[in-house]
Amino acid sequence: DAGVIQSPRHEVTEMGQEVTLRCKPISGHDYLFWYRQTMMRGLELLIYFNNNVPIDDSGMPEDRFSAKMPNASFSTLKIQPSEPRDSAVYFCASSLLRGGYTFGSGTRLTVV
Amino acid sequence: AQSVTQPDIHITVSEGASLELRCNYSYGATPYLFWYVQSPGQGLQLLLKYFSGDTLVQGIKGFEAEFKRSQSSFNLRKPSVHWSDAAEYFCAVVPSGGGADGLTFGKGTHLIIQP
Repeated sequence: DAGVIQSPRHEVTEMGQEVTLRCKPISGHDYLFWYRQTMMRGLELLIYFNNNVPIDDSGMPEDRFSAKMPNASFSTLKIQPSEPRDSAVYFCASSLLRGGYTFGSGTRLTVV
Repeated sequence: AQSVTQPDIHITVSEGASLELRCNYSYGATPYLFWYVQSPGQGLQLLLKYFSGDTLVQGIKGFEAEFKRSQSSFNLRKPSVHWSDAAEYFCAVVPSGGGADGLTFGKGTHLIIQP
């Protein structure tokens, strides 16, 4: 099992540009989560999906953030337009009900 | 709302010494409980989890944790630390009843190992 795969590992972009982060969950896991990690706020849940359906997006900070899960093996988190305060490490995780949550290696986003 | 408190931001331990990292949660019912470790520049790795049953849980890398309902605590322990244990440790909870929600994390404890 390759685990949860995120791409890219690092992303540097200019303010105002669109950024797309990608995640491939573990096959068979029916829950997918997007987290953001910053020094100030720690690990924050942004949104999660169950069977490709968004269940709770109350953690999405602004309308500039959007997430999709078009199928069971792929999800994207998009920021448009990006701002310097969006700089953070973004993690994707997947799980089964009552299972352990497996995290990807994260995408370090820097917006300059 | 549920919350997780890790009261120690930093802990320094000598190599070979014992370790205890504290975690307290605030929630109406006993949640599911987790400990994760994060090495610099890496993702989060699950050390152990508690759902129910035996309150002493064994995990990977020689770690264990004890759930104490009366104290709403889930402290992580290791009898003898190694230099490779230096990392950030996160306690996390999720509601135990029905469905699956995202984990709520504590702020983390940074573990420093002295030679």
